[in-house]
Amino acid sequence: AQSVTQLDSHVSVSEGTPVLLRCNYSSSYSPSLFWYVQHPNKGLQLLLKYTSAATLVKGINGFEAEFKKSETSFHLTKPSAHMSDAAEYFCVVSPVMDSSYKLIFGSGTRLLVRP
Amino acid sequence: NAGVTQTPKFQVLKTGQSMTLQCAQDMNHNSMYWYRQDPGMGLRLIYYSASEGTTDKGEVPNGYNVSRLNKREFSLRLESAAPSQTSVYFCASITGFNSYNSPLHFGNGTRLTVT
Repeated sequence: AQSVTQLDSHVSVSEGTPVLLRCNYSSSYSPSLFWYVQHPNKGLQLLLKYTSAATLVKGINGFEAEFKKSETSFHLTKPSAHMSDAAEYFCVVSPVMDSSYKLIFGSGTRLLVRP
Repeated sequence: NAGVTQTPKFQVLKTGQSMTLQCAQDMNHNSMYWYRQDPGMGLRLIYYSASEGTTDKGEVPNGYNVSRLNKREFSLRLESAAPSQTSVYFCASITGFNSYNSPLHFGNGTRLTVT
């Protein structure tokens, strides 16, 4: 069975400092992994996705994530936080071998950016 | 380019009332989904429709029904609302069923309160 765990429910950083949002996954197969961002009162928007082509994935707005199979992790990073990055972030695993396409969402990490 | 449109944006119901949440997409996507979002629980799949004419239960289908009216529209009905159905509901679509490399496109959500 697949699962995904976001290790922090809240992360607070100062503007201009690095961001690290942690995600661990469990999957019987080599998964597809996504990060989505949700700004207040909005739907979810894709930040980036991993589909086995490259372990370091670059996304929009300067975010990137590294797939580490040995650690079953897919942490999201950004070198320098901006005020507009304040949002909720979801790590998602796609059960590649499951024909029902039931994405599995983590519980979310709320990123706070202090001026 | 509207993407995924949900109506209404907000709704307050009394216990036992019924209502239908509407969702339409203009991207010619085959598959559509209904999720609910509750604090600390990420998104949970209620129902999905792999293609026009088919619907299937997700993780939390009890108390809901769906209709895939045509390729564009996928509605969610609460026959007898309960306080436990207070949540934010998201509709999403994807180009094709089992397109595990493709991202979901989300609407902006319907915020439902049941008193």
